[in-house]
Amino acid sequence: QVQLVQSGAEVKKPGASVKVSCKASGYIFTTYYMHWVRQAPGQGLEWMGLINPSGDSTSYAQKLQGRVTMTRDTSTSTVYMELSSLRSEDTAVYYCARGPTVVTLYYFDYWGQGTLVTVSS
Amino acid sequence: DIVMTQSPDSLAVSLGERATINCKSSQSVLYSSKNKNYLAWYQQKPGQPPKLLIYWASTRESGVPDRFSGSGSGTDFTLTISSLQAEDVAVYYCQQYYITPPTFGQGTRLEIK
Repeated sequence: QVQLVQSGAEVKKPGASVKVSCKASGYIFTTYYMHWVRQAPGQGLEWMGLINPSGDSTSYAQKLQGRVTMTRDTSTSTVYMELSSLRSEDTAVYYCARGPTVVTLYYFDYWGQGTLVTVSS
Repeated sequence: DIVMTQSPDSLAVSLGERATINCKSSQSVLYSSKNKNYLAWYQQKPGQPPKLLIYWASTRESGVPDRFSGSGSGTDFTLTISSLQAEDVAVYYCQQYYITPPTFGQGTRLEIK
């Protein structure tokens, strides 16, 4: 069965960086795009970007350009999301979410359990 | 970006009754040449990630109970739960994937009356 298992909660100071991992299993890792979606406390869902695990190409939300980097390690079927220059409004649960078979469609059929990132001085 | 607006923000329905959630997009998400609406619905229970219920506006994801149905086209969409069960208490989100970035509605909280 498809599983996406994320790394644990993080507490960071403003200005620092955080790197969250998402380990995939139960399917061919390089066949499906992986997206990242975040959810601020009590708020809605915000798409952050995606990575193509096959070719390592990425696409990022405009508001996060320059601060977010998504990478992957095909040897461990793991994708990473690094967010730099953290500010208080980056406090959120960060989810990895798999796209469907047709990679050009950006809806999400499997989700990780979420990683809480808290930015506080 | 396409703005997705859901109504109502919260809803209380009696067990066994019908629940209806609406979603409106700021521009059409219908790809005319394919006759497909690029619209998905998710269910999120407390402390859990969202779960895909419906895509293409009306196609149920595998394993989703048939009491959940989606309808609509263009800019106006509806998620209907035909007979509310206790386990359906959750926040429901619509999402367009017609253009990048994909965007979500603000969510509708569904409770038992």
